[in-house]
Amino acid sequence: GAGVSQSPSNKVTEKGKDVELRCDPISGHTALYWYRQSLGQGLEFLIYFQGNSAPDKSGLPSDRFSAERTGGSVSTLTIQRTQQEDSAVYLCASSSGGRKETQYFGPGTRLLVL
Amino acid sequence: AQSVTQPDIHITVSEGASLELRCNYSYGATPYLFWYVQSPGQGLQLLLKYFSGDTLVQGIKGFEAEFKRSQSSFNLRKPSVHWSDAAEYFCAVGVSGNTPLVFGKGTRLSVIA
Repeated sequence: GAGVSQSPSNKVTEKGKDVELRCDPISGHTALYWYRQSLGQGLEFLIYFQGNSAPDKSGLPSDRFSAERTGGSVSTLTIQRTQQEDSAVYLCASSSGGRKETQYFGPGTRLLVL
Repeated sequence: AQSVTQPDIHITVSEGASLELRCNYSYGATPYLFWYVQSPGQGLQLLLKYFSGDTLVQGIKGFEAEFKRSQSSFNLRKPSVHWSDAAEYFCAVGVSGNTPLVFGKGTRLSVIA
């Protein structure tokens, strides 16, 4: 079936602008994760949604970052007032929510802040 | 807190040679362990995972990994590398399969003829 999809695949923006990154998880998956992959920091967890529970936002690096998940499916990661250090690949993953389940990753959105 | 160390940033092997990628983790309880592979411009693909039971796990593409609790290690192996295996490999640890993962910095594998 269809995997995790993300859009856009690439985004170039100017410092100070807001950006929205979209993630479409695998149908039926209740858990959704956002990670960031940057040269200096490797892969870092950002935020995690599980069903109707309050999201785990413990990985968000600043209050400029926020995410929502509408209808338990699609998720949007928003970065306000982008900075050059926000340049990275943003990866989304989803899983069916069980303890022994696997996180399936999307292809990522490559963000470049000029 | 959990952490993962992949000591080798870059490894080069000849096609047909054996491969071992090292991974050491830090976690107080029995960990959930994963190996993912990332080809250039692609997302992460799961190679294999360990939750419990047999400490030698088989994965896709001919890869296997062995969990050694005494050494806090989960090394990835392949008996004969193919040129298509050139990619970046990430080891990850989690409290379970459905909680955020902590990743190592990755090991880049180059394959030469």
